[in-house]
Order: sequence, then C-alpha cells, then structure tokens
Amino acid sequence: GAGVSQSPSNKVTEKGKDVELRCDPISGHTALYWYRQSLGQGLEFLIYFQGNSAPDKSGLPSDRFSAERTGGSVSTLTIQRTQQEDSAVYLCASSLAQTGSNSPLHFGNGTRLTVT
Amino acid sequence: DQQVKQNSPSLSVQEGRISILNCDYTNSMFDYFLWYKKYPAEGPTFLISISSIKDKNEDGRFTVFLNKSAKHLSLHIVPSQPGDSAVYFCAASGDNYGQNFVFGPGTRLSVLP
Repeated sequence: GAGVSQSPSNKVTEKGKDVELRCDPISGHTALYWYRQSLGQGLEFLIYFQGNSAPDKSGLPSDRFSAERTGGSVSTLTIQRTQQEDSAVYLCASSLAQTGSNSPLHFGNGTRLTVT
Repeated sequence: DQQVKQNSPSLSVQEGRISILNCDYTNSMFDYFLWYKKYPAEGPTFLISISSIKDKNEDGRFTVFLNKSAKHLSLHIVPSQPGDSAVYFCAASGDNYGQNFVFGPGTRLSVLP
C-alpha cells in the first residue's frame, strides 16, 4: 500500500493479557517509530528503529513493553500483562531517513487500545 | 514537565478568516520545528517546518513564524477553510533527528462555515 498500515485498528483487552500491535511501514523507509497518545496528551515517543536495530528504546515506559522489527520492514509492539494505564492510541510512523524536517514522519492511522 | 506547550486546547474561527495556532517551548536547544495536522481516526500528517536560521516559512495558505528569543512559534492559516478543521500538533527538536522531536498536546481547530 501507499501509506503506513497498522493493525488492528481497535483492540479491547482484559487487564493482564498480552497484546501485539503491528506496523507495516512505507516500502523503502528505513526509519520506523512508535508513539502513543493518551487522552488529552501529545505524542509520546516510545521506540525508534533504524533498519532492524533499535538504537533508542528510551521511551518504553516499562519492561512490559517490547518491540521488534524484522527484515527492515514490519514491526511489532508487544505489551505484556496489560494495565489500564496502557489504554491509548498507539501510532507507528516511518521516514525515508532519520532526519525530521527533511524527511518528515509518515504516520499510520493508529491502533486504539482499550484495557478493561 | 512539558517541553512543548500548546496552551489553547481548542480554537474556533470563521471560514475565510485567519487561524493562528500558538506553540511555546522551554528548551533553548530546540532548533527544528514541525507542524502536523490530524483528522479523527487518522494519523498525523506533516504540514510545514521551520529551522532556527529562519523566522518565517510559507507554504500556500500556511505560514509558520518563529521567535527564538521568546521560544514561541505560531502557525497562520489564511484564509481558513472548513477542511482545515483538525487537531494541530507542533513538535520541536534540537538535532532534527526524527526520534528526538517532542510533540505538544495539540490544538483542535474548528473552522465554521
């Protein structure tokens, strides 16, 4: 497809369960980013991939969060033992290169996660 | 402690008039600034950027102004159109690396016909 694709678009899960969120970036984009947006908040950076490696995991809020990227393409964000405070919209973005203003982020439509 | 602030959660403007969206930041090391626009149920889309070597950047109906001494930037939309109704996020970074952009909480703009 032409844009960044995220699945599922909505996910409702019970507290304590694990969830997996998927991101399919734009073909050829080497940089991939995960953000989350909680209600009324800005976009909170979670993790960044350059190719398959994640040089910056500083934004992951706890060790329940992990992400991987395979083949320089699809990425999966996994949240283990979900908590209610994990409820948010999780946004994935990709860019051609690492810079921001010369290579803006292209965002997917997000996955809305609700933990009950 | 928010490094990028958008103090107006919402703004309503009449069609054809100017919309002014404001953004303030606290980190004097920020040199690169972006504006994104977000429609409901969609991801943000890039709108316009500015770096600290300039104080103004224009793209069609959209102009961004930067006042580095005041740590303030603003996005002007002239003339405003109903299709401009969306949430606008500003983002700032010191090094222009994508992962280092800090986003503000957004301002919801409603352009009334």
